[in-house]
Amino acid sequence: DIQVTQSPSSLSASVGDRVTITCRASQSISSFLNWYQQKPGKAPKVLMYDATNLQTGVPSRFSGSESGTDFTLTISTLQPEDFATYYCQQSYSTPWTFGQGTKVEIK
Amino acid sequence: QVQLVQSGAEVKKPGASVKVSCKASGYTFTGYYMHWVRQAPGQGLEWMGWINPNSGNTNYAQSFQGRVTMTRDTSISTAYMELSSLISDDTAVYYCAREAAYGSGSPFDYWGQGTLVPVSS
Repeated sequence: DIQVTQSPSSLSASVGDRVTITCRASQSISSFLNWYQQKPGKAPKVLMYDATNLQTGVPSRFSGSESGTDFTLTISTLQPEDFATYYCQQSYSTPWTFGQGTKVEIK
Repeated sequence: QVQLVQSGAEVKKPGASVKVSCKASGYTFTGYYMHWVRQAPGQGLEWMGWINPNSGNTNYAQSFQGRVTMTRDTSISTAYMELSSLISDDTAVYYCAREAAYGSGSPFDYWGQGTLVPVSS
């Protein structure tokens, strides 16, 4: 199985901050890396797909990048509604696996 | 608009089975793979498998092999996930999620609201 290691597990930030979350795959997954946002009691919502593609309707302050097996989600200017838990997921091969999650909290 | 509406919460005893439904609307049900993902309380997301609603073909995560069965009824645009031999560690919210049609390895673009299944004696 492909392991996806996400870091950090949590972070504290202020509105307006730039936030970066990283996922590292245990082997090459091409660009098959997706990012989700989940708020308490709600289903996840896709933000980015294929590492760098913004899902329709998602604000442009979200962006993704990749370098080999390292993938990054960046929130350029953190907004109040962005406080949530973020997950990466590889869709290169089954079993599709998720990162452990990053909880973004208010500083 | 696309909607996935799941069945309600069910409390189960250890050793029992649970069958969760996911009714799709707003799109062609047979045109998109349906996945199932679960989330234990306070934990992360765990992929369980997928079903191709058109063919009925399935692909299950090894950790659930022999205990999970995914089926569908195309006449009512509904997917089902049945998990048997439940243990307390199966206590979780179970989600159905549609795989987008962007090509191989597409993300999950629509999710059900989740079904809580507590397993307790």
